Amino acid sequence: DAGVIQSPRHEVTEMGQEVTLRCKPISGHNSLFWYRQTMMRGLELLIYFNNNVPIDDSGMPEDRFSAKMPNASFSTLKIQPSEPRDSAVYFCASSFFRGSGNEQFFGPGTRLTVL
Amino acid sequence: AQTVTQSQPEMSVQEAETVTLSCTYDTSESDYYLFWYKQPPSRQMILVIRQEAYKQQNATENRFSVNFQKAAKSFSLKISDSQLGDAAMYFCAYRTRVGGGATNKLIFGTGTLLAVQP
Repeated sequence: DAGVIQSPRHEVTEMGQEVTLRCKPISGHNSLFWYRQTMMRGLELLIYFNNNVPIDDSGMPEDRFSAKMPNASFSTLKIQPSEPRDSAVYFCASSFFRGSGNEQFFGPGTRLTVL
Repeated sequence: AQTVTQSQPEMSVQEAETVTLSCTYDTSESDYYLFWYKQPPSRQMILVIRQEAYKQQNATENRFSVNFQKAAKSFSLKISDSQLGDAAMYFCAYRTRVGGGATNKLIFGTGTLLAVQP
């Protein structure tokens, strides 16, 4: 199994630009999570999906952030317009949810720098 | 709301020695999971060990073991025979076990950076 795949691994962009982060969960997993990691705030859950449906997006910082999961094998996190304070490492994780939950497997992360 | 606290921002251990990382949590729930994740410089988050709250026996995984004290809401990680490859940031995490759509949400502590001295 290839594990959770994220792209790009690094992204450098200028303030105001649109940024799209991509995630491919582990095949067979039906839960997907987007996290953000910064020195100041640590690891924060932004949003998660069960069976492609957003369950909890209370961690999404503001309307500039949006996430979609059009099918079981792909998700995107979009920031538009981007700001320097969005600079962080963004992780995608997936798990197989079966009532009592299961371990989350993390992707390698995308390091985003907004200049 | 549940919270997870790691009071040791940094720790250091000599190679081959034993080190214990602390974690406390706050919850009103009786059934939940607790995890330790390792994040080496590569940034990859790796699950080290997990504990189900209803199990009294402490979980072990090779050189890694936990001391789970449910009444005290404490969940420490012991690393025995420390190796250079154990150097990483370690995160304690909590997840509810109650049924429903919210069960998969992980709540992380702030992490402990472990250095291993040769």
